[in-house]
Order: sequence, then C-alpha cells, then structure tokens
Amino acid sequence: DADVTQTPRNRITKTGKRIMLECSQTKGHDRMYWYRQDPGLGLRLIYYSFDVKDINKGEISDGYSVSRQAQAKFSLSLESAIPNQTALYFCATSDTTSGGYNEQFFGPGTRLTVL
Amino acid sequence: SQKIEQNSEALNIQEGKTATLTCNYTNYSPAYLQWYRQDPGRGPVFLLLIRENEKEKRKERLKVTFDTTLKQSLFHITASQPADSATYLCALVANQGGKLIFGQGTELSVKP
Repeated sequence: DADVTQTPRNRITKTGKRIMLECSQTKGHDRMYWYRQDPGLGLRLIYYSFDVKDINKGEISDGYSVSRQAQAKFSLSLESAIPNQTALYFCATSDTTSGGYNEQFFGPGTRLTVL
Repeated sequence: SQKIEQNSEALNIQEGKTATLTCNYTNYSPAYLQWYRQDPGRGPVFLLLIRENEKEKRKERLKVTFDTTLKQSLFHITASQPADSATYLCALVANQGGKLIFGQGTELSVKP
C-alpha cells in the first residue's frame, strides 16, 4: 500500500463549487504539506502543518483552506472554485528528525479541473 | 527578489553520456538543497540532499555539487540511460524547519 494517498485522483468541477481534496499517510510523520503544480511554475506551497494543532499559510494560500483532522490526515478545501485553480495538487509529508532536514514524501497527486 | 531557477529548456542527451542539470538561486542562504525526480503524472521522489558545508555528494550514478559562493548546485547523472528520462527538481530550504522552495524543474530526455 502507498505511504501517502490522495483522493480523488481526478476531479472535474464547476466554478463556484466547494471541493475538498484529502490526503492520508501511514508514515507516522508529523509534518504535512499541500502544493500545487502548474506547467512552467514548479511546485508552490499552499499550506503546511507541523503537527495536529499547527497550520501555516504557504506561498499561495488565498482561495484555499485546510484541516488537519489527525496526524495522518490533512485536507485541502477550495471554498468556491475558480478556473485558475485548475492544476495538479500534491500532498507531502516529512519527518521531524535531523532538525527538519529530511526529505519530503509525495502522494500521487490530484488532477483538478475547474470549468 | 528571491529566486530559484533551473533550465527551462529540456535537456536531450545520448545514452551513456553524462547529464548535467543546473540550479541557481538568488537572495537565499539555504542550509541545504535537495534534488527530486518526477515522472509524468506522478509525485516527486527524493534523490539526494546536500548541506551547505558539503561540496559534493554521490549516490550510485548521481552526483550533486553545491557552491554557496556561486549560489549554484549542479546535478550529474553519469552513464545515463533512457530510464533516467524524467523531470528533475531542485529545492532549497528557505529557513530551518523543512519548508522547501522548489525550482520549476528541468526535463531530461535520454535517447538510446
């Protein structure tokens, strides 16, 4: 079984709809992240969480919200989807050992299309 | 402004040659830099990490260098194979704590 899973894998929705992307991990990591990837722009950080009670905005948090329901679950919501939120979304996790220098482990991604 | 830049043009090389990818950054003082591989439609996979006090790191056919004076990291794949074809991302930590800033990636194509 995959260590970091994302649901759904693909989603087509309409402008104005609320949508939630879910991420679960079995790695036992404290830290979780949400990124979006657009062609030519690389990965950009939306939100991150260093433990269940910690939520932080990333580079591009406007229009998004998150919920850390448990150590293993981190959800991303688009309250009112707009077409420029069409992108590939990745969840990632990392460990807290070695001063936070550890690598990040990514899920398989969710391809979201907003019409 | 702060930037992390990789060659946006795809790199095409012949099998068996050494591929060299570049990552440049400005207005950062990263404690370390990481390299990831990403295949189409999949999440990035960690390859190597190099710290600011390390000049070079190797792992099998991979070699990474880190020059904090030039503000540059080079990623080398020796004896390249078609299976090495992918997009390679560099990422640096903007401050201690594991939050990464990613470059846009360079696509590598290795032809048989």
